[in-house]
Amino acid sequence: DQQVKQNSPSLSVQEGRISILNCDYTNSMFDYFLWYKKYPAEGPTFLISISSIKDKNEDGRFTVFLNKSAKHLSLHIVPSQPGDSAVYFCAASRGYGGSQGNLIFGKGTKLSVKP
Amino acid sequence: DAMVIQNPRYQVTQFGKPVTLSCSQTLNHNVMYWYQQKSSQAPKLLFHYYDKDFNNEADTPDNFQSRRPNTSFCFLDIRSPGLGDAAMYLCATSRDLASGSTDTQYFGPGTRLTVL
Repeated sequence: DQQVKQNSPSLSVQEGRISILNCDYTNSMFDYFLWYKKYPAEGPTFLISISSIKDKNEDGRFTVFLNKSAKHLSLHIVPSQPGDSAVYFCAASRGYGGSQGNLIFGKGTKLSVKP
Repeated sequence: DAMVIQNPRYQVTQFGKPVTLSCSQTLNHNVMYWYQQKSSQAPKLLFHYYDKDFNNEADTPDNFQSRRPNTSFCFLDIRSPGLGDAAMYLCATSRDLASGSTDTQYFGPGTRLTVL
């Protein structure tokens, strides 16, 4: 049973526009959420995170929104750049960085940003 | 640059022939993880070491073992690989925080295992 779901396997966006990647979770015990970015032939790289005590966290072009009542989070990239083309994994844990339950990953969404 | 290194990047083995995957880190992190990622699937945690303490996930098959001889190195041993064990194997590290939890995980590039 998937506890972290990314229902869109792929997303295509025009350069300069907003990319919105979505993630749903089922376990209400999760209290820390992360986004990782993965280029081909490389390991996932940490991008941005959010604690359950917040509903928004922003870092440059990247913003993560958390809706706890809906058990939903989203990653916004504005403006999107061709270099953002990668697979984005949503992950959740019961503890900062995953010490208690460790990270539970979604299947990923492949983002393509077209020039 | 401090990093997580995995060797080899590609490994081919035969059905039933033991294989060992290697991970090393220069980050001096005390927690190391092994994940299995099959095609189009989410990375799945197999086990992790908190210093020398080994923590196995409940659904990790007995076929998978791990060794951590020191802080820098961690090995994944697959005793009798089956066709279903073909996957990308990712190593990650993280450090302790004063609160008792762990910090962000840093991943290596992975080893892609093929079983013939």
